[in-house]
Amino acid sequence: AQSVTQLDSQVPVFEEAPVELRCNYSSSVSVYLFWYVQYPNQGLQLLLKYLSGSTLVKGINGFEAEFNKSQTSFHLRKPSVHISDTAEYFCAVSKGDDKIIFGKGTRLHILP
Amino acid sequence: DAGITQSPRHKVTETGTPVTLRCHQTENHRYMYWYRQDPGHGLRLIHYSYGVKDTDKGEVSDGYSVSRSKTEDFLLTLESATSSQTSVYFCAISFDRGSYEQYFGPGTRLTVT
Repeated sequence: AQSVTQLDSQVPVFEEAPVELRCNYSSSVSVYLFWYVQYPNQGLQLLLKYLSGSTLVKGINGFEAEFNKSQTSFHLRKPSVHISDTAEYFCAVSKGDDKIIFGKGTRLHILP
Repeated sequence: DAGITQSPRHKVTETGTPVTLRCHQTENHRYMYWYRQDPGHGLRLIHYSYGVKDTDKGEVSDGYSVSRSKTEDFLLTLESATSSQTSVYFCAISFDRGSYEQYFGPGTRLTVT
C-alpha cells in the first residue's frame, strides 16, 4: 500500500527567507506526486504535480519541488517566502488508479 | 474556479439525525470524491464515484453512504449523525483517474451536538 509522510506538522519561517517542506512516500510501483495548498477557510488548490520527465517541477506562486526516486522524496521549496504564503500544504501520491492519498499536512507560518 | 459548489456550507445538527451534503459540479468530470478533514489527520477519503451510479468506499466509509444519480451531483448522507462525524467535508472532482489532479469545493463545516 502506498503512503505519504510529511515530516513536519508546522514550519515557522521569516519573511523573505527560503523554505523547504518535506515529503516522503512509500510505494512499490511508479507514482504520480502532487503538492496542494489550503489557505484559511478554503478548499485545496493544486500547486504542482510530477507525472514523468524532469525531476524538478515548477508550480504556481514561485514554488518548485524535486522528485528523488532513490530517496522516495518530493520536497517542496521556495527561495523567498511572503506573508501571503501562510497556509497549510499537503503532499499527495497516486499510483494511477482511482485514488490520491494525502499526507497530514504542514502548516507554514511566516514570521515578520 | 473549478465549478464546484457544496451545500450547505455550514450545518449544526443533533446526534441521531440524518444529514445529507450535496456536491454539484458544472465541469462534467467523471470522478467525484468526498473527504473529511480533521486536525492531525489531513484529508481522508470517505467515498468516491467513477460514474453515474458507480461508487466505491474509501478508508473511512463507516457511517456514510453516497449516491450519484446524475453526473453533476454527488450526495453524501450520514444516516444517523454522531459527534465523531463533526468535521469539515470536502468534495473534489477529477477529469479521470490517477494522474489527473483533483479540484476541490469550498467545504462544508458540520457540527454534530
